[in-house]
Amino acid sequence: DAKTTQPTSMDCAEGRAANLPCNHSTISGNEYVYWYRQIHSQGPQYIIHGLKNNETNEMASLIITEDRKSSTLILPHATLRDTAVYYCIVRVPHNNNDMRFGAGTRLTVKP
Amino acid sequence: KAGVTQTPRYLIKTRGQQVTLSCSPISGHRSVSWYQQTPGQGLQFLFEYFSETQRNKGNFPGRFSGRQFSNSRSEMNVSTLELGDSALYLCASSWDRGRYEQYFGPGTRLTVT
Repeated sequence: DAKTTQPTSMDCAEGRAANLPCNHSTISGNEYVYWYRQIHSQGPQYIIHGLKNNETNEMASLIITEDRKSSTLILPHATLRDTAVYYCIVRVPHNNNDMRFGAGTRLTVKP
Repeated sequence: KAGVTQTPRYLIKTRGQQVTLSCSPISGHRSVSWYQQTPGQGLQFLFEYFSETQRNKGNFPGRFSGRQFSNSRSEMNVSTLELGDSALYLCASSWDRGRYEQYFGPGTRLTVT
């Protein structure tokens, strides 16, 4: 699975969009980009995933660059409850569920 | 739909003892994976079970084992506990293997003294 690089921490004002970047320059053609988040003392929560097209769901939007070497998770209107560690994971959806989590980005939403 | 449940939520054990943790996946989910989370190592994959068979295993010693029952419920066992086994143990379920998203439980906080 390709290695990912994320900023260690970010701040965002409540009500504003939070844009969380992820670099995955060694991504291969069949690797998907997954995003999970972990709110303090809880288990990780799935947010969104995509291959090459931009994706949107009720939680967030995922923007993947045309060369697929980086992506951005967008929380359109961040709330205090979005304060969490956000993990970007790149993997081939093998016939297994082994998710390799890195250190992630600690997002703090401030009032 | 009920989420992934894990029992117990908190556990204190002594070095050398063994422990069994339980995970009930979301109804209909057939794959169960286990992860260990520590401040130093982060989230690490332990193993995955599907159709009562271990399908994949992370880099952990043989003291860590698990099993899955016919109703997809899973247990993991750690024998001869060491202080370094103190961690949050997380269970995740998914409908099938591969690209399906995983849903995590709240975890079991194990403290080894």
